[in-house]
Amino acid sequence: DTEVTQTPKHLVMGMTNKKSLKCEQHMGHRAMYWYKQKAKKPPELMFVYSYEKLSINESVPSRFSPECPNSSLLNLHLHALQPEDSALYLCASSLYPWTSGGVNEQFFGPGTRLTVL
Amino acid sequence: EDQVTQSPEALRLQEGESSSLNCSYTVSGLRGLFWYRQDPGKGPEFLFTLYSAGEEKEKERLKATLTKKESFLHITAPKPEDSATYLCAVPTTNAGGTSYGKLTFGQGTILTVHP
Repeated sequence: DTEVTQTPKHLVMGMTNKKSLKCEQHMGHRAMYWYKQKAKKPPELMFVYSYEKLSINESVPSRFSPECPNSSLLNLHLHALQPEDSALYLCASSLYPWTSGGVNEQFFGPGTRLTVL
Repeated sequence: EDQVTQSPEALRLQEGESSSLNCSYTVSGLRGLFWYRQDPGKGPEFLFTLYSAGEEKEKERLKATLTKKESFLHITAPKPEDSATYLCAVPTTNAGGTSYGKLTFGQGTILTVHP
């Protein structure tokens, strides 16, 4: 199984709502990532989880709250978002988060298209 | 600061017309270079990893090569289904040469193959 799954595929929310995005992988990967992608731009890293612990937070606003309940699951909790947060949110995983030698590739999920009204 | 530049920004080909996409990079110590394909509204699909200059990898009509300064993605006899955005990325490393999972992406090349 070489797949990263994400739910929901689409999400529309108001600025006062609370919602969550879910990501799952069963490849035994120990690193998981959240990215944000705006139209015609490359993905931008938001968070990195290494062995279920948050290792990188790219200065993301606190209205985005990540959670890693176990090695296969990654959540992104959303609260009080702004319209400019509308984007494609991507989850990815890799076998290990880092090595001092070669770096292992990241596998991406299909994404959640988020629209904030 | 690590930088990745892709060219051209967009490329239009006729079916069967071979061409190449370029990814030039400036990094303190290359720890791999990745190529991805992304269809509109979907997540990037992993294509290749290249680790050292001179390395080549192939998959169907695609062939990726790596030098010390750039990588090429060669597309031989493309078909309309090859139309997509192609992204290259390199791991961002700290002063000690360790990568913590962050990738620096190029802006991508939008490939359109007309029948």
